[in-house]
Amino acid sequence: AQSVTQLDSQVPVFEEAPVELRCNYSSSVSVYLFWYVQYPNQGLQLLLKYLSGSTLVKGINGFEAEFNKSQTSFHLRKPSVHISDTAEYFCAVRKETSGSRLTFGEGTQLTVNP
Amino acid sequence: GAVVSQHPSRVICKSGTSVKIECRSLDFQATTMFWYRQFPKQSLMLMATSNEGSKATYEQGVEKDKFLINHASLTLSTLTVTSAHPEDSSFYICSAQNGAAWNSPLHFGNGTRLTVT
Repeated sequence: AQSVTQLDSQVPVFEEAPVELRCNYSSSVSVYLFWYVQYPNQGLQLLLKYLSGSTLVKGINGFEAEFNKSQTSFHLRKPSVHISDTAEYFCAVRKETSGSRLTFGEGTQLTVNP
Repeated sequence: GAVVSQHPSRVICKSGTSVKIECRSLDFQATTMFWYRQFPKQSLMLMATSNEGSKATYEQGVEKDKFLINHASLTLSTLTVTSAHPEDSSFYICSAQNGAAWNSPLHFGNGTRLTVT
């Protein structure tokens, strides 16, 4: 069973518009949740992570995400996007029962248009 | 911050040859490293978990004789694609775990673009 699902494969938006990239996870145990960004032909850059504590997590580049245990979601948001935010975004989960491995969602291509 | 160096960033090889990709943790010791494969427009798929001083654990469907992993030191893991074929062309990414606990931080390399002609 898929541990993490990204609901949108592509999200086109206009510059300065708000954006939300959706991520849902499935787990019966505690999880750590992550969002990564990948620019073309590059590796992964960590945007933010939720380990415990406050459910609203702020990351780099103005992104934030909210952990919602009841809805098993960890959606990524930015109030105003820039052209430079165009990239692939991956939600990922780590579970103690899966060892140290990180399981990735399918990815969401965010395209910011002028 | 912790840095993981992956080399080479790009490699082109002929079909039938072998290619070695290195993953180094530059400022920490990594008892565990992970190797991922990413096809165009797709997500990262875990290939294997590499533990220093022991055999790698491969995911289901990954040929261990095809993708040889060696983790001979606490700062270096290598992935060798043996007898490469065009279908092995892909983006390979490593990550290194900084710590022994399951939730220790993970740091990613910048990936290697392998093209087999």
